[in-house]
Amino acid sequence: GAVVSQHPSRVICKSGTSVKIECRSLDFQATTMFWYRQFPKQSLMLMATSNEGSKATYEQGVEKDKFLINHASLTLSTLTVTSAHPEDSSFYICSARDNFAAAEEQYFGPGTRLTVT
Amino acid sequence: GNSVTQMEGPVTLSEEAFLTINCTYTATGYPSLFWYVQYPGEGLQLLLKATKADDKGSNKGFEATYRKETTSFHLEKGSVQVSDSAVYFCALRSGGGYQKVTFGTGTKLQVIP
Repeated sequence: GAVVSQHPSRVICKSGTSVKIECRSLDFQATTMFWYRQFPKQSLMLMATSNEGSKATYEQGVEKDKFLINHASLTLSTLTVTSAHPEDSSFYICSARDNFAAAEEQYFGPGTRLTVT
Repeated sequence: GNSVTQMEGPVTLSEEAFLTINCTYTATGYPSLFWYVQYPGEGLQLLLKATKADDKGSNKGFEATYRKETTSFHLEKGSVQVSDSAVYFCALRSGGGYQKVTFGTGTKLQVIP
């Protein structure tokens, strides 16, 4: 089945530094990937839609200069949290849409737990 | 805009009990409806889905029926197991696979032996 991986699974960084999170579709190509953020005991909130070869589309209220998204290939999207602050601590999950699948599910990665100290 | 409302948890059941997790939605048109499950420390997995009214999605003993008249997609299982302990998210998507998914707040299920 379609597998999406994320790296790292957990990361701790100091306030003011930047952190990059990778999302990979392992056995399919994905023109479109999505980045979500999950707060404790809350739902997933879509942050942005990542499109291969073009700029990401950000949801209202998400700072594009703070959450940099790059989708340079059909199997990799990256989310960089710049100048991280403790309030950026969260669980970040990506999903990917298989370009060639008849079904239209989005396949989710296992998530990355970011802790900013 | 689209929204999903599901019952708050946590829900605690004994093994072999009947499970219902309520989910209602607001959306324009005819969205696809999903239930996702998140096991402790893991990402989301698609549990089941329904793409049109009166469709029933089913998987691993779980079922949910797309009820357009009541805008609901309640999740049910006749006999839960300890291994079903997880967080369950109801979700919807308007349009095709390139559209964003709107999630409910999740319901934590704990099954005790």
